Parts: sequence; structure tokens; C-alpha cells
Amino acid sequence: GESVGLHLPTLSVQEGDNSIINCAYSNSASDYFIWYKQESGKGPQFIIDIRSNMDKRQGQRVTVLLNKTVKHLSLQIAATQPGDSAVYFCAENMGPKTSYDKVIFGPGTSLSVIP
Amino acid sequence: ETGVTQSPTHLIKTRGQQVTLRCSSQSGHNTVSWYQQALGQGPQFIFQYYREEENGRGNFPPRFSGLQFPNYSSELNVNALELDDSALYLCASSRTRDGTEAFFGQGTRLTVV
Repeated sequence: GESVGLHLPTLSVQEGDNSIINCAYSNSASDYFIWYKQESGKGPQFIIDIRSNMDKRQGQRVTVLLNKTVKHLSLQIAATQPGDSAVYFCAENMGPKTSYDKVIFGPGTSLSVIP
Repeated sequence: ETGVTQSPTHLIKTRGQQVTLRCSSQSGHNTVSWYQQALGQGPQFIFQYYREEENGRGNFPPRFSGLQFPNYSSELNVNALELDDSALYLCASSRTRDGTEAFFGQGTRLTVV
């Protein structure tokens, strides 16, 4: 079946340290992956994405790593700040290969930054 | 701000009633997707519209229906509301048909009593 899951449901990090949030996916046909940040009372906010033909992509203070061999995705946040406290979702998009296009979200990881 | 706006922000309905939720897409976006997010869970895909036609549907019953208008705004309609329909309903718009680079609205919090 299709599933996207997270290894760690909660993560506490000291301000200034690096954070790593992990995600496992089971559908090898997925070709596009996205990380979203969701703050309380708000909709998910796009952080960074990566296509299956890449294994690493960097943004501002964030890096996404994709390991297709073990179907693993990770989000690294450098120099974590209090404003990074939120729930982080990984999501996979099955793309145009299937009969319809959709994004499947994982259950989320709550990141708490300790000042 | 993503440019995607949803209304209303909060809503309370009684079991058995019908509800319509609205979404205004970001300018230039012709694809809209709707999601249901139960408390403490990730969003679940309901359906997607591309240029006014349904482009895909998740595992939701037919009493969940939708529309996309020529200006690409959208509605989500839910008939015969059940208590389990209580959730945050999110819409996301995208300028790509496959829904990549989607931007979410702030959601409508629906409570069914």
C-alpha cells in the first residue's frame, strides 16, 4: 500500500543546534517529495522539495536528502531558531504516472526549539 | 502570506446538515486541491481540480463534492455531515497540473455537533 511515515513523532532541539527530521516512504513509484512546516492555527507552508532524480537539495538553512535505495527522506535545519518550532510533514506526490495526482502526507513530527 | 484564502475560518454545524467551504486560489494558479486534516494528523487528500474539471479523488465518500469556477476559485461541499467530519479543511493551489509547488490556505475549522 501507499504510506509515508516518520521515525520520530517529537523532537526537541537546543537553539543554535542542527535539527534532522526523518521520513520513510513505501511507494517506489513516487517521483516528487515535499517538506511542509505547519504552525499552530495555520495551513502547511512549503519549505523545500526534491525530485527522485536528485539525492540532495539545499535551500536557505534547510537541506533535503533523498535515499531511494532505502526509501528515506530527511530534512536538515541548520542553526535551529525558536521560529522553527512547528510540526513538519513530509509528503510524496505520485506524479502523472498514476491515474490521478495527489500528495500523500506523513503523520508529522513536532519540533520544539529550546531557547 | 500565500495568496490562498479560505472562508469561513471557523464553522459549527449540526450532524446531518450540509456545508459549503470556499477557497480563492493564488493568482495564476489553475489547480486546486482539497485536504481534510484531523487533529494531530497529516492532511488527507480529498480531490483535485484542474481548469474546472476533477483531476483526481482520494478515499472520501460521494457526499464530499466540489466545484472549480472559471476564475479558478473553488468550493468544497459536504452533505449529511457526520461527527467524524470535524476537522481542518485545507485547500492548496498550484500553477502546475500535477499539483507541485502547491501553496496552502489557512484552512477552515469545521466542528460538527
